[in-house]
Amino acid sequence: ETGVTQTPRHLVMGMTNKKSLKCEQHLGHNAMYWYKQSAKKPLELMFVYNFKEQTENNSVPSRFSPECPNSSHLFLHLHTLQPEDSALYLCASSHLLLRGPNFSNQPQHFGDGTRLSIL
Amino acid sequence: AQKVTQAQTEISVVEKEDVTLDCVYETRDTTYYLFWYKQPPSGELVFLIRRNSFDEQNEISGRYSWNFQKSTSSFNFTITASQVVDSAVYFCALSEVNYGGATNKLIFGTGTLLAVQP
Repeated sequence: ETGVTQTPRHLVMGMTNKKSLKCEQHLGHNAMYWYKQSAKKPLELMFVYNFKEQTENNSVPSRFSPECPNSSHLFLHLHTLQPEDSALYLCASSHLLLRGPNFSNQPQHFGDGTRLSIL
Repeated sequence: AQKVTQAQTEISVVEKEDVTLDCVYETRDTTYYLFWYKQPPSGELVFLIRRNSFDEQNEISGRYSWNFQKSTSSFNFTITASQVVDSAVYFCALSEVNYGGATNKLIFGTGTLLAVQP
């Protein structure tokens, strides 16, 4: 497998359920991201992990709990979600941003996303 | 504050027409990156191009071309001789430059839905 793989592709859950989204990248990247894409809104960055360490939490509610056990895997644990959390959740990965003269914003590579529906 | 505006919500063209997707950005940074991504119905965002703020040279890749105008803070995308397979949502994005070396934070526009009719 190559690229960024997300499972499941579709998920329907009740507000009291607990579920997890999984993301796996086979690109040798060391930064991984979760985004939320809602209808008619820009993609919203949720979390960033660099070398397994969380470096960004964009004021995401605690009912979303990310986990990054290694540079290739990223999870998003969900519990007691709200109807407004229904959206497409996209995972991305990239090479780590470097400092100094070798600095470069590397492109992020995205998975197909998980379409989440909250009943 | 950083912001990306894609004023065109939807564009519909007939195959073989040329089409330009507009992107206007706001940033206080002097160093930044701009991106275009394509999102077909399958959902995956496909990276198309990255441009840094110091390189205003326009770029052409096959039927795709990009016009970066720093003076007007625009980074427009033109598809020449459009095809049905070009139908997708196209996103323009701006990347912060963080010299702390922490993240590669992308700020996206709301996207433009391009429909190419046969």
